[in-house]
Amino acid sequence: DIQMTQSPSSLSASVGDRVTITCRASQGIRNDLGWYQQKPGKAPKRLIYAASSLQSGVPSRFSGSGSGTEFTLTISSLQPEDFATYYCLQHNSYLTFGGGTKVEIK
Amino acid sequence: QVQLQESGPGLVKPSETLSLTCAVSGYSISSGYYWGWIRQPPGKGLEWIGSIYHSGSTYYNPSLKSRVTISVDTSKNQFSLKLSSVTAADTAVYYCARGELPDYWGQGTLVTVSS
Repeated sequence: DIQMTQSPSSLSASVGDRVTITCRASQGIRNDLGWYQQKPGKAPKRLIYAASSLQSGVPSRFSGSGSGTEFTLTISSLQPEDFATYYCLQHNSYLTFGGGTKVEIK
Repeated sequence: QVQLQESGPGLVKPSETLSLTCAVSGYSISSGYYWGWIRQPPGKGLEWIGSIYHSGSTYYNPSLKSRVTISVDTSKNQFSLKLSSVTAADTAVYYCARGELPDYWGQGTLVTVSS
């Protein structure tokens, strides 16, 4: 089974900060990875697919990169509506979520 | 637009079978895509349960495979989840979703396992 290790598990940041979240796969998954944002009481929302493709309607301050085993989600300038929990999800072999990163207000 | 809606009992007794249905509107299941179930225990992360293709082929999370059955009813444009022998550890919000890397999700339904 493929394990996804996401870090950090939480972070505190201010509006305007650049934020980076990382996911590491236990084996190579090509670019079969997406990133999701989840707000309390809501279903996850897909931000990125194929590791670096921006979902339609998602602000361009969100970007994804990586291939193989190392992946990154970057928020270039954190906005108030971006405070949420973020998850990576690999779909190369079955589906596995990362443990999540809670982005909190500093 | 594509919409998914979960339905089913919100309370299930231990050792019994949890049954949920996901009704899809705005897209015909027969047209393609995988359709899946994902759950989230209160205050915890997301866990994929399993998925079904419109043709009926399935794949399940190995850790749950022995207890999971997912089926599709294309005539009603819906798919269903059955999870047997439930325990308190199966208490979670259950989501249905479209795609291997889900793009559309239901709003989720809380299922509590308790006597």
